[in-house]
Amino acid sequence: EPEVTQTPSHQVTQMGQEVILRCVPISNHLYFYWYRQILGQKVEFLVSFYNNEISEKSEIFDDRFSVERPDGSNFTLKIRSTKLEDSAMYFCASSRDDYGYTFGSGTRLTVV
Amino acid sequence: QKEVEQNSGPLSVPEGAIASLNCTYSDRGSQSFFWYRQYSGKSPELIMFIYSNGDKEDGRFTAQLNKASQYVSLLIRDSQPSDSATYLCAVNGRNTPLVFGKGTRLSVIA
Repeated sequence: EPEVTQTPSHQVTQMGQEVILRCVPISNHLYFYWYRQILGQKVEFLVSFYNNEISEKSEIFDDRFSVERPDGSNFTLKIRSTKLEDSAMYFCASSRDDYGYTFGSGTRLTVV
Repeated sequence: QKEVEQNSGPLSVPEGAIASLNCTYSDRGSQSFFWYRQYSGKSPELIMFIYSNGDKEDGRFTAQLNKASQYVSLLIRDSQPSDSATYLCAVNGRNTPLVFGKGTRLSVIA
């Protein structure tokens, strides 16, 4: 069964540093998303991406965050100037038709 | 602000019983309704979706939707210890991203 692949599984970074989280969505999917889940809290929407541009973003997705689809297969989330409160599990998801997202296994980001 | 509300639980049921999980949502324009299962430390896994009022069955799972009451539920028949997880209700409209509830933690006692 096709799956969404995320790397790395765990990333530790110092506060103020930049991190890039990587995702390979399912190949025939057209819609891509990033969500995050702080420990013990709900899964929160960050950004959606369609047709090579951001289609919607949440208040969490401030100007420190950016997304890119650099080569037609990878989908990346970059966080600049990381803060302690960015520590969370980050999930990439993709869907074929804007319904029924398939989630990757996640990247646990720890900012120290 | 679109909200999806779930009782956080834990909901404890004995093995073999029916587990009933409930969800309400605030946006009347919502069109699609999903149930995801999330094991501790893992990613959400889609188990059911429903678009129309009424019931939809898939194996031991039944999703129920009542748009007039803005209410979605998930029934799990013959509950097994392996069903113990957090169940996330998620809702979206056309061209809007999924909004998740906090989830209900289910514990099936052997």
